[in-house]
Amino acid sequence: KAGVTQTPRYLIKTRGQQVTLSCSPISGHRSVSWYQQTPGQGLQFLFEYFSETQRNKGNFPGRFSGRQFSNSRSEMNVSTLELGDSALYLCASTQKTSGGAHEQFFGPGTRLTVL
Amino acid sequence: AQSVAQPEDQVNVAEGNPLTVKCTYSVSGNPYLFWYVQYPNRGLQFLLKYITGDNLVKGSYGFEAEFNKSQTSFHLKKPSALVSDSALYFCAVRDDEGSGNTGKLIFGQGTTLQVKP
Repeated sequence: KAGVTQTPRYLIKTRGQQVTLSCSPISGHRSVSWYQQTPGQGLQFLFEYFSETQRNKGNFPGRFSGRQFSNSRSEMNVSTLELGDSALYLCASTQKTSGGAHEQFFGPGTRLTVL
Repeated sequence: AQSVAQPEDQVNVAEGNPLTVKCTYSVSGNPYLFWYVQYPNRGLQFLLKYITGDNLVKGSYGFEAEFNKSQTSFHLKKPSALVSDSALYFCAVRDDEGSGNTGKLIFGQGTTLQVKP
């Protein structure tokens, strides 16, 4: 099975621009979660999508948004970029079933640099 | 609120020696705990998880973790460290507050493991 793929791998933007990141989960996985990783704040949860619905949202401003498509692929969007948005954005997929705790499988991440 | 803490920013160990990376947790219900490893410029790789059952959990690459309910700890261990184990290690707990069975993990700050030859 192919792993979680994220595109692009690297991105450079300037302040005020917007950006869209893409994530393709492992085949058959219906849940996609997004995380932001920075040296100062560590790994922080952004949001989770399951069956095209946002199930959870972290403590990020409304500039951060996402969506999930019927094939479980997900995108996240950051508008009006700020310098502090520079980070590694990680996507993770999991096989969601009722009960249990399934591990999340992470993609390689998108490294976003805001100048 | 659910949380995990990794009290050591860095752990240094000689190759061949046993290693321990510490993690303590705080949850309101039953803990679902995970360990992940991250190599430079890579995403996170799953090592092992604790849901219920045996307190000693075995995982990938010879790693294991010991769940201790009374001490609210979930330390990662390996009997004999390899130089290739040098990486950043994260402990995580699933956030079950609210709807439960969520895809939200709360991570510790990470511990850099340095294994010297």
